[in-house]
Amino acid sequence: DGGITQSPKYLFRKEGQNVTLSCEQNLNHDAMYWYRQDPGQGLRLIYYSQIVNDFQKGDIAEGYSVSREKKESFPLTVTSAQKNPTAFYLCASSTFNSDTQYFGPGTRLTVL
Amino acid sequence: SQKIEQNSEALNIQEGKTATLTCNYTNYSPAYLQWYRQDPGRGPVFLLLIRENEKEKRKERLKVTFDTTLKQSLFHITASQPADSATYLCALDIGGGSGGSYIPTFGRGTSLIVHP
Repeated sequence: DGGITQSPKYLFRKEGQNVTLSCEQNLNHDAMYWYRQDPGQGLRLIYYSQIVNDFQKGDIAEGYSVSREKKESFPLTVTSAQKNPTAFYLCASSTFNSDTQYFGPGTRLTVL
Repeated sequence: SQKIEQNSEALNIQEGKTATLTCNYTNYSPAYLQWYRQDPGRGPVFLLLIRENEKEKRKERLKVTFDTTLKQSLFHITASQPADSATYLCALDIGGGSGGSYIPTFGRGTSLIVHP
């Protein structure tokens, strides 16, 4: 069953803690993306990666970090430097230069 | 500044009517535009893509138009059903990715509510 998965679905974090969100895909897609969505807002691009061991900052990369050690995996770390991390985080993937993105189910992060 | 506008107010219609959602943009010359559906608490799902040289595209009850002069796309759902209730996002290709890759920019979305 091909697709893109994110875990966990809900995540709670104390202020000052780093937390890592998982994103895995078995679609053999080259490119992967992380977006943040706040209520009433569009999706804002955090980071994207087009090949293994390479990634680029998006519009709101400050306070976040990523790695792309495997084609299937693109974890996102929300660091304590992110001032307002409570949001819905979406991971997506696509083939290189594709028109279409496939999204995961999302992770809702709440900072307590 | 670059901007994508979708109606922030929810669109309420009766079942069976045609829903029309609008996506306006400024300061872009996108090669194509996409529409996605997003249900509450879920990731967006791709619906349709229309290229700059296409005026209209259809898929079952869905129709998208793209007017590059007006810088506007219209998204129509005919014979709407309560199950069509969701938020609909438009996304534009503005390029800018490394190596010329496609990095879409999303609008805020418009909520559609279809009443039985």
